[in-house]
Amino acid sequence: DSGVTQTPKHLITATGQRVTLRCSPRSGDLSVYWYQQSLDQGLQFLIQYYNGEERAKGNILERFSAQQFPDLHSELNLSSLELGDSALYFCASTVGDPSYNEQFFGPGTRLTVL
Amino acid sequence: GENVEQHPSTLSVQEGDSAVIKCTYSDSASNYFPWYKQELGKGPQLIIDIRSNVGEKKDQRIAVTLNKTAKHFSLHITETQPEDSAVYFCAATGTGFQKLVFGTGTRLLVSP
Repeated sequence: DSGVTQTPKHLITATGQRVTLRCSPRSGDLSVYWYQQSLDQGLQFLIQYYNGEERAKGNILERFSAQQFPDLHSELNLSSLELGDSALYFCASTVGDPSYNEQFFGPGTRLTVL
Repeated sequence: GENVEQHPSTLSVQEGDSAVIKCTYSDSASNYFPWYKQELGKGPQLIIDIRSNVGEKKDQRIAVTLNKTAKHFSLHITETQPEDSAVYFCAATGTGFQKLVFGTGTRLLVSP
């Protein structure tokens, strides 16, 4: 158990809908990272937050947004969902800001768009 | 931006054999290279990492080597066991060291 929690574990929805994925980092970790893992694909970095502020952006679509709240939990919002958005979504957390600290991954949320 | 290539995509070995997974990166400024293991239904877990000021690092049956000149690094697993079966990802720090760029993964199967 990494100490990072993600909810829900599974999510099934229809095209055009909007969903929110939630992540709680390890106690004491200030940075949260979001990744997308599609079938047979590696981990694609989406976005990073550090202590409530956006720090880095990857290949995140405009239909996707995220935020980190004062209690340090983070939410990833996916809207106008398309079939191609079906994937595993992971969040990870680290103590500090630089990415060269060990990232602890949550168990992921499996999103299925029908 | 940073690009990380990983080979092979699948690797099958017999229990007790060694396994080697290789990665190359494009950004010469990268200075941190972790390896993650992902078991079925779980999130990736760090198994070993190496920084650019070190050429090799070992942890029991696992070792990582780094060649900064050639911009490649490798994971070596000796005396493989069935529980080593998983998907392994290499990664490297991207521009500005704000994010990790992952390889596409290697599915390792260790047969008893």
